[in-house]
Amino acid sequence: DTGVSQDPRHKITKRGQNVTFRCDPISEHNRLYWYRQTLGQGPEFLTYFQNEAQLEKSRLLSDRFSAERPKGSFSTLEIQRTEQGDSAMYLCASVAGASGGDEQFFGPGTRLTVL
Amino acid sequence: AQSVTQLDSHVSVSEGTPVLLRCNYSSSYSPSLFWYVQHPNKGLQLLLKYTSAATLVKGINGFEAEFKKSETSFHLTKPSAHMSDAAEYFCVVRAGSGGSYIPTFGRGTSLIVHP
Repeated sequence: DTGVSQDPRHKITKRGQNVTFRCDPISEHNRLYWYRQTLGQGPEFLTYFQNEAQLEKSRLLSDRFSAERPKGSFSTLEIQRTEQGDSAMYLCASVAGASGGDEQFFGPGTRLTVL
Repeated sequence: AQSVTQLDSHVSVSEGTPVLLRCNYSSSYSPSLFWYVQHPNKGLQLLLKYTSAATLVKGINGFEAEFKKSETSFHLTKPSAHMSDAAEYFCVVRAGSGGSYIPTFGRGTSLIVHP
C-alpha cells in the first residue's frame, strides 16, 4: 500500500454515460498525475497538477476528459460521453517534491470497462 | 523531446540465473531515469532511480541499473532471479532541469521466471 487511494476500483458503464474517478494522494504531496494504461502498454500521461493548478495536459486528452484538484488535495477525473476506446486502467500518482527526480507513488488504479 | 525504448517485450529466465532487462532512452536534457515494477493486480512500485549522482544505482530486491550516457542506456540487472520477480517492468525517463516534469514510460518488459 503506497498511501495513494483511488475510488472506485472497478467501473462498468454503457457507452455514452459519464463517469468520475477520485484519487486521494499522500497528504501534503504537491504534485498529482493521472495516467491511462491499456493492456500490454506502459502508463500514458494524461494530465498533472501542482497543488490546485493543472499545469499540463496531454494533447491526446480529448475535450471529453476533465480533471480537477480543488484545494490541492484529492483529484477527480471525469469522462463525459464514454466510448469503448476509453476502456482502460486509470492510474493516479502523487509526488512530494518539485524536482525531476522525485519518486511517484501510484494508486491501485480504476479499471474502466465501457460496454 | 524524450522517449524510452524497452528492447524486449518478454524475457524468460530460470530461477537462480541472471536477469537483464534492456532500456534505451533519449532526452534533450540531463534525464532522471527510473525502473518501476508492476506485479499482477498490484500497483506500480519504484525499484530504483538515477538522478545524476552515481551511475550505478542499487534498488530494492537486489536489482541494480547502470546509467551509460554514451550508450543512452539504463539496463536493469539482477544476479539471481527469484520466482517472486515475475512481473512487468517499466523503464521511465523524465527530463531534468529545464525540461518538463512529464514522465515517459516504456511499453514494458514481462519477466517470466521458470522453476
